[in-house]
Amino acid sequence: GENVEQHPSTLSVQEGDSAVIKCTYSDSASNYFPWYKQELGKRPQLIIDIRSNVGEKKDQRIAVTLNKTAKHFSLHITETQPEDSAVYFCAADGSSNTGKLIFGQGTTLQVKP
Amino acid sequence: DAGITQSPRHKVTETGTPVTLRCHQTENHRYMYWYRQDPGHGLRLIHYSYGVKDTDKGEVSDGYSVSRSKTEDFLLTLESATSSQTSVYFCAISDKSSYNEQFFGPGTRLTVL
Repeated sequence: GENVEQHPSTLSVQEGDSAVIKCTYSDSASNYFPWYKQELGKRPQLIIDIRSNVGEKKDQRIAVTLNKTAKHFSLHITETQPEDSAVYFCAADGSSNTGKLIFGQGTTLQVKP
Repeated sequence: DAGITQSPRHKVTETGTPVTLRCHQTENHRYMYWYRQDPGHGLRLIHYSYGVKDTDKGEVSDGYSVSRSKTEDFLLTLESATSSQTSVYFCAISDKSSYNEQFFGPGTRLTVL
């Protein structure tokens, strides 16, 4: 089955700097790669996703890149702000047709003012 | 947030007692999922449902059972709770099996003493 590895587990940056979180996956049949943000005590919320037919997607200060050959994808946050502090999860859908997602272990991002 | 509620939101119980968690949605989505979240493990799929009375196991299903008698409700039961099942439980919903945007409920914090 699908396995998703996420790095780093913790990341600390200064406000205004960029942050990059990387994920690798094992199932080459995966076609959908979402990213979720979870603030302390809250539910995970979808912030951006990418499908296998594109290599990059941007939404304001966040972007995701996908390299299907290497089976890895990354989240890029530019001009970080203190409100970006949260836990971020990547996921992949594997080869299942039932919509299951396999999640990475999570990255705790701290943005220092 | 999508129309998803979970009940109870917090529960403390003793080892060996049965526990049922409820997920209720008002979105009429076909797919529903139960995850548990533990530090260092991200979100792990327990069981999922792809329709009324149609359910299947996820990666950590031992000790858990589920039922879905109506589109809007997905129940997770711990037949005999153990301390290792202390966790935060999230329900998620989706309306499609591919490119699967999942939306999460607010979570249930369960403590088994």
